[in-house]
Amino acid sequence: GAVVSQHPSWVICKSGTSVKIECRSLDFQATTMFWYRQFPKQSLMLMATSNEGSKATYEQGVEKDKFLINHASLTLSTLTVTSAHPEDSSFYICSVRGLAEFYNEQFFGPGTRLTVL
Amino acid sequence: DAKTTQPNSMESNEEEPVHLPCNHSTISGTDYIHWYRQLPSQGPEYVIHGLTSNVNNRMASLAIAEDRKSSTLILHRATLRDAAVYYCILAERYGNKLVFGAGTILRVKS
Repeated sequence: GAVVSQHPSWVICKSGTSVKIECRSLDFQATTMFWYRQFPKQSLMLMATSNEGSKATYEQGVEKDKFLINHASLTLSTLTVTSAHPEDSSFYICSVRGLAEFYNEQFFGPGTRLTVL
Repeated sequence: DAKTTQPNSMESNEEEPVHLPCNHSTISGTDYIHWYRQLPSQGPEYVIHGLTSNVNNRMASLAIAEDRKSSTLILHRATLRDAAVYYCILAERYGNKLVFGAGTILRVKS
């Protein structure tokens, strides 16, 4: 399997500020990471696919200039929510695709809860 | 993306088997059936996946109908720690894009 961490686990910020969320693959090199968002009592929605060394692929309706994704190394992807507003308050979750016999599985991080005041 | 239909919620007694159904009548020949679960305030966790044959692993069993239009996740002995939202997802072989539906909220009573 894979162990995925996220930092921070929760963050509170003022409206208009930017927030960076880190996603780390702790025990293997991940060429592909995924970012999801989950609003209270709703299901997960895929925001973007993050590929190491290249631009992220965003899902329809997700603003790439607002949600900046950087996958600069094989173990780290970051999501920056720029000029955050209260409607961006959500649970942000990353995942990595496994390797070898785990290639069909995605391993998820514990999530980051963002609250924008 | 092919859609799945699951009951909104189910309830089970502790230490009894649980059968979680999923309908996917528009499944394509290349779609795999994936199951993930999400405990409260946590990221989802992989449970099992399959294509045509029934599958077993340490967590659960997956029974797939012969026409592949439905499947059932089987937890052999439910524990309180199995209380979660269970998602049935169709995805291509290498599961790049997981489209999560509403899932089934499983409640386990002691």
